[in-house]
Amino acid sequence: RKEVEQDPGPFNVPEGATVAFNCTYSNSASQSFFWYRQDCRKEPKLLMSVYSSGNEDGRFTAQLNRASQYISLLIRDSKLSDSATYLCVVNMEAGFQKLVFGTGTRLLVSP
Amino acid sequence: DTEVTQTPKHLVMGMTNKKSLKCEQHMGHRAMYWYKQKAKKPPELMFVYSYEKLSINESVPSRFSPECPNSSLLNLHLHALQPEDSALYLCASSRSGQTAGEAFFGQGTRLTVV
Repeated sequence: RKEVEQDPGPFNVPEGATVAFNCTYSNSASQSFFWYRQDCRKEPKLLMSVYSSGNEDGRFTAQLNRASQYISLLIRDSKLSDSATYLCVVNMEAGFQKLVFGTGTRLLVSP
Repeated sequence: DTEVTQTPKHLVMGMTNKKSLKCEQHMGHRAMYWYKQKAKKPPELMFVYSYEKLSINESVPSRFSPECPNSSLLNLHLHALQPEDSALYLCASSRSGQTAGEAFFGQGTRLTVV
C-alpha cells in the first residue's frame, strides 16, 4: 500500500461546479497534512494546511478524518484557473520532517 | 519572504560529469528537503536535513550526495548519473519540530543527463 494515495483523475468539470478530492494515508501517527497545487512544469505551491477541526479559505474547504485516515479538499464555484494537479502532502512520522506527496489528482475546468 | 531559490534552473550533463545543484532559503527554516519529480508523477522524497544534519535518506543511490553547509544552504552533488536520472529536482524548506510546518518549494532544476 502506498503511503499517501489519491485518485489520479482527471476530473473534468464545468465552470461553477463543486468538486471534491480525497486522499488516504497509511500511518495513523501522521501529524501534519497539507494540500498543494501544481501547474504544468511549475513547482508545487501550498494551497492550505489541514487542521483537525477542518478549515476554509474562500472557495476551498479542507477536512481531516483521523479515524478513517483521509483528508479531503472541496472546491466550490470552480474557475478555469483552478485547472491544475492537486497534491495532498502528509508528514508521515511524528517528530520527523518526512513530507510525502500523494499521487496527485488532475482537475480540468472547462467553460 | 517565502522564497526558496534554486540554481541553476536548467542543467545538461554527461554521464561522466560532476555537477552540483544549489538551494538557498532565508526564512529561518531548519528543515530542508530534496525531491525528484519525473513527468506526470508526484515529487518523490530523496533527502531531509533537520538542523543541518541528514535525518532521512530514502535509499537514494550514492551518485547523489547531499550537503547542508549551513542553515540557509542545501546542495546536491551529482556524479556519474544515468539518463534515467533526468528529472526536475526540487528543493523545499519548512519549520522543524514535533510537527512539520508547511514546505515552501523552489522553482526546481530541470536536469537532463546525456
